[in-house]
Amino acid sequence: EPEVTQTPSHQVTQMGQEVILRCVPISNHLYFYWYRQILGQKVEFLVSFYNNEISEKSEIFDDQFSVERPDGSNFTLKIRSTKLEDSAMYFCASSELGVGGYTFGSGTRLTVV
Amino acid sequence: DQQVKQNSPSLSVQEGRISILNCDYTNSMFDYFLWYKKYPAEGPTFLISISSIKDKNEDGRFTVFLNKSAKHLSLHIVPSQPGDSAVYFCAAIKRETSGSRLTFGEGTQLTVNP
Repeated sequence: EPEVTQTPSHQVTQMGQEVILRCVPISNHLYFYWYRQILGQKVEFLVSFYNNEISEKSEIFDDQFSVERPDGSNFTLKIRSTKLEDSAMYFCASSELGVGGYTFGSGTRLTVV
Repeated sequence: DQQVKQNSPSLSVQEGRISILNCDYTNSMFDYFLWYKKYPAEGPTFLISISSIKDKNEDGRFTVFLNKSAKHLSLHIVPSQPGDSAVYFCAAIKRETSGSRLTFGEGTQLTVNP
């Protein structure tokens, strides 16, 4: 069964450093997303991406965050200068039609120290 | 943001019995609802969904019921199996634009005891 692949599974970084989280969505999917889950809290939407541009972003997705689809297969989330409160599980997801049926990756656990 | 709420953080049932997980929402603009299941160290896995024009959708052991007037949905699992033990998330979406966000509830930890 097709799956969304995320790397790395766990990333530890120092506060103030830049991190890039990587995702390979399902190949025929057109819509890509990042969500995050801070420990003990809800899964929260960050951003959706379609046709090489952001289609929607949440209040969390400020100037510190950016997304990119650098080639035909990867989808990345960059956090420019990490803060302690960025520590969370980050999930990439993709969907074919943009409505329901989202497939999530296994997540990257980001720990900012 | 309390637009989607799952009031029960945990539920424990015996194998073979029915599991009922509940979810409430406040935003009447939501028109599509989904249930996801999540194991530790994995991402959410899609289970079943329902459009706001329906009141029931069934897929094998899983049935989702939607009560639009009460802004309430529930997931029934019959019969429950130990492998169903996981965190279950309710999610809602407004389908006005493609690529719209999922809004999740807090999740309910289901434990099915053998």
